Amino acid sequence: KNEVEQSPQNLTAQEGEFITINCSYSVGISALHWLQQHPGGGIVSLFMLSSGKKKHGRLIATINIQEKHSSLHITASHPRDSAVYICALGGNQFYFGTGTSLTVIP
Amino acid sequence: KAGVTQTPRYLIKTRGQQVTLSCSPISGHRSVSWYQQTPGQGLQFLFEYFSETQRNKGNFPGRFSGRQFSNSRSEMNVSTLELGDSALYLCASSYQGAHTEAFFGQGTRLTVV
Repeated sequence: KNEVEQSPQNLTAQEGEFITINCSYSVGISALHWLQQHPGGGIVSLFMLSSGKKKHGRLIATINIQEKHSSLHITASHPRDSAVYICALGGNQFYFGTGTSLTVIP
Repeated sequence: KAGVTQTPRYLIKTRGQQVTLSCSPISGHRSVSWYQQTPGQGLQFLFEYFSETQRNKGNFPGRFSGRQFSNSRSEMNVSTLELGDSALYLCASSYQGAHTEAFFGQGTRLTVV
């Protein structure tokens, strides 16, 4: 069983929609990371969380330590947000979720 | 501040050959970790180096090895390449490890023919 479960696996949205990607985990963590991977491979770190909420532009990440759950929200989605979003636990190594493939249609 | 640099970006090798990939971390970062990404298995941890010492290792055969130099640059080596080693290899740079803010390179795409 994977320590990190993400949902949904695939998501298609219309431009402007509010998007939520969920991440549940089953182990204690030091940090939780949200990552973005565009076609072509490079990974960009969006957020690192150990508690509460962080916001950067149209992106918001929250974490509930007691419930072992985190969410990534994208407000006013745009086609350039199309990418794979990966939740990863940070400890001795990264433990990655399977990713959510997001497509935003103009 | 310069980002994480991986070289080369693309590589084609023949079965049985060996390959060396390089990762230059962000200045001041002492931890470099390596990951293999394939469509079937997703992202899998290879190993982590911290201050020139291998600190953690994933579940990969001994054909996969690495090292870290005093300037924190890291190399990974794969010997006796197999077709299944075709993958995107990513490295991540951080100050202390995955429990701190990390930055990833663009990856090296290795194709074994």
